[in-house]
Amino acid sequence: ETGVTQTPRHLVMGMTNKKSLKCEQHLGHNAMYWYKQSAKKPLELMFVYSLEERVENNSVPSRFSPECPNSSHLFLHLHTLQPEDSALYLCASSQDRGGPYNEQFFGPGTRLTVL
Amino acid sequence: GQNIDQPTEMTATEGAIVQINCTYQTSGFNGLFWYQQHAGEAPTFLSYNVLDGLEEKGRFSSFLSRSKGYSYLLLKELQMKDSASYLCATVDSNYQLIWGAGTKLIIKP
Repeated sequence: ETGVTQTPRHLVMGMTNKKSLKCEQHLGHNAMYWYKQSAKKPLELMFVYSLEERVENNSVPSRFSPECPNSSHLFLHLHTLQPEDSALYLCASSQDRGGPYNEQFFGPGTRLTVL
Repeated sequence: GQNIDQPTEMTATEGAIVQINCTYQTSGFNGLFWYQQHAGEAPTFLSYNVLDGLEEKGRFSSFLSRSKGYSYLLLKELQMKDSASYLCATVDSNYQLIWGAGTKLIIKP
């Protein structure tokens, strides 16, 4: 247990569906992250929130929409996805965003399949 | 550009020693992380190096050479449970993590 939970663990959706991924951290951290992990590729940073404010959006398509209602919760809203969006979506948190030693704690991920 | 290279896959024998290398080229450097990720699970922290040299932690050690842009993770007395992917990540000048694609380590009896 890393102190970061994600639901659902698995999700299958059609291209016209709307769904949301949820992440919750119980560590009292101030920064939260969404990553996309595809097979044999580096982790791709999608969004970063620090103190509930979005600080980075790494050119992610608008069909992915994040929401951070408080420092413990992070959502990723999905709509009209494409099959190439199928991947493992990881949430992570860290004490703060900046600083050299900033260990990130990861959730178990949501395995997303887009049909 | 920023680039992290590590082998895609390695195989080793139970009880042996294996070294997983990571080379990097990043804009600025504020440290290097190693994470372990078992299939279907979250990546978990193994080590962090910011100064040159070897950091030992039980069966696992991590080495860094900043002048060479090089790190390795050394695993001793390999156990079957060490079968996992090992992710190398550097911290750039903006304190952003730059990730390698990971090395899948297969341990054989």
